[in-house]
Amino acid sequence: GENVEQHPSTLSVQEGDSAVIKCTYSDSASNYFPWYKQELGKRPQLIIDIRSNVGEKKDQRIAVTLNKTAKHFSLHITETQPEDSAVYFCAATSGTYKYIFGTGTRLKVLA
Amino acid sequence: EAQVTQNPRYLITVTGKKLTVTCSQNMNHEYMSWYRQDPGLGLRQIYYSMNVEVTDKGDVPEGYKVSRKEKRNFPLILESPSPNQTSLYFCASSLSGEQYFGPGTRLTVT
Repeated sequence: GENVEQHPSTLSVQEGDSAVIKCTYSDSASNYFPWYKQELGKRPQLIIDIRSNVGEKKDQRIAVTLNKTAKHFSLHITETQPEDSAVYFCAATSGTYKYIFGTGTRLKVLA
Repeated sequence: EAQVTQNPRYLITVTGKKLTVTCSQNMNHEYMSWYRQDPGLGLRQIYYSMNVEVTDKGDVPEGYKVSRKEKRNFPLILESPSPNQTSLYFCASSLSGEQYFGPGTRLTVT
């Protein structure tokens, strides 16, 4: 079945450094790729998303890139801050609205 | 205030005792979905609904039922809960794209 692989599972960076989280999807029909942030004990919240007709999208310190040929998309966080510490999930879906999530990346920003 | 609500937030029950977790949204969203979250496995979709009376299976539908009789409500039914359904459950709704998640329901089946 469809699958989304997410790496790394944990990531520690120094405050101010950049963080990159990578996801690979298997369903070539996937056309929407959201990223969610989940703080401890809280619900997931969308931080950025990208559709298949776009290669890159940026929102302040956060950016997402998509490589449809490689079926690969990545989350980039620049100038990381302690409040960026959380679990990040990627996801992929096609027009059927069946969502497949990655297994998550626990990001720790060290002050 | 636009929101997705779930009830109960916490539930401890015994094997085989039917239960329902309610989910309601006030944003007039057509799309609603249920997920379970387990350590190391991320979020896995149980069922989703694209509109009233339209539901479909996600990745892990076994042991669960849903219904969508009204646009705002999407209850999750466990007819005969088992310990392997112990998990954190999230309901979500969407208009197109961004999903808004409820606060979660922590279910323990003993």
